[in-house]
Amino acid sequence: AQTVTQSQPEMSVQEAETVTLSCTYDTSESNYYLFWYKQPPSRQMILVIRQEAYKQQNATENRFSVNFQKAAKSFSLKISDSQLGDTAMYFCAFMKHVSDDKIIFGKGTRLHILP
Amino acid sequence: GAGVSQTPSNKVTEKGKYVELRCDPISGHTALYWYRQSLGQGPEFLIYFQGTGAADDSGLPNDRFFAVRPEGSVSTLKIQRTERGDSAVYLCASSLSRRQGQETQYFGPGTRLLVL
Repeated sequence: AQTVTQSQPEMSVQEAETVTLSCTYDTSESNYYLFWYKQPPSRQMILVIRQEAYKQQNATENRFSVNFQKAAKSFSLKISDSQLGDTAMYFCAFMKHVSDDKIIFGKGTRLHILP
Repeated sequence: GAGVSQTPSNKVTEKGKYVELRCDPISGHTALYWYRQSLGQGPEFLIYFQGTGAADDSGLPNDRFFAVRPEGSVSTLKIQRTERGDSAVYLCASSLSRRQGQETQYFGPGTRLLVL
């Protein structure tokens, strides 16, 4: 069975600073997807970034980038130039590389961006 | 088009009652998922539909929970004899299916269920 672990329940950072959220996972699969989702107080789960395990290059989306270490089963999210609107719960998630499978989520990290 | 919609936004019920939660996926999305998110936790998978059929219902906690998708679009999650432990946010997601690179699941805003 797959598991996703987020060891930081809560973090705070000043606006405009860089912050890194940690995630580790466990799987026997060789190919899979990893995701970071953002959930603001509105409850809407929003996809931030996605990584396919067979791609060695780390995914980036504007201010968001990941550090994917497949051998270590680590998948951290870096947010650069943090903004007040980045305040939210962040979930690391795993999905097997077959069409239409369930997502396994971590417990989340609550991120506060301070003015 | 519009995103995934869920109704009601909030539902308060009494222990032992029956509730129905509705999900309207993005038009054209053939895959539909239900997740349950308890307070302070990440979402947990309940059931997945491919078209009208339930392809994987391994996450349903017991036989009080049931879901349908009769026409391959809107889905209803049904909970019988509700218990206080059923209180949670119920999230629905949909995705395009069987197209490489199109497995991204798009989530609705959820229904917050409170069982008194």
